[in-house]
Amino acid sequence: GQNIDQPTEMTATEGAIVQINCTYQTSGFNGLFWYQQHAGEAPTFLSYNVLDGLEEKGRFSSFLSRSKGYSYLLLKELQMKDSASYLCAVRDRVTGGGNKLTFGTGTQLKVEL
Amino acid sequence: DADVTQTPRNRITKTGKRIMLECSQTKGHDRMYWYRQDPGLGLRLIYYSFDVKDINKGEISDGYSVSRQAQAKFSLSLESAIPNQTALYFCATRDTGELFFGEGSRLTVL
Repeated sequence: GQNIDQPTEMTATEGAIVQINCTYQTSGFNGLFWYQQHAGEAPTFLSYNVLDGLEEKGRFSSFLSRSKGYSYLLLKELQMKDSASYLCAVRDRVTGGGNKLTFGTGTQLKVEL
Repeated sequence: DADVTQTPRNRITKTGKRIMLECSQTKGHDRMYWYRQDPGLGLRLIYYSFDVKDINKGEISDGYSVSRQAQAKFSLSLESAIPNQTALYFCATRDTGELFFGEGSRLTVL
């Protein structure tokens, strides 16, 4: 099975940089996703990593190390609207073919003035 | 208009009632999913479907059933609702990459 760990809550200041970590244990890793979810709304896709390294998309970047079972989401130039829950999700190959996607419990980020 | 639409958005019902949550999509994706979200828990998969003739159980399918009436429609039923099925339910679709979620259906079972 999978075990995904991410911090429950984080607080950061507007304009600053914050790093949200995600560690996982899996037997057939096949990709890691980050989603953003504002309170009471649908999760929306932020990034996808399947190979080691950094993927950059504007103010958001995501890093993956498969050997360490570790990813982080980096948010730069924080804005108040970045206050949300950030969900790490790991895709795992399963016996018999196909994939299974497992979500972490999410990191609630609060951006303060 | 949203690409993935869920109805109803909010529902309060009583224990033992039958409830149906409906999902329709305009993205043209074959793969559709139903998740539930509870505070302190990650999104958990209830059922998924890769086409009209394909229905698969997820990790928490007990107490639920689904119907894939067409490529664009995937409904979730609770035959006899119980209080621990109180949750936020999300429908999602996928092509080959990320999931696209509906806006959610908040269900309260009293």
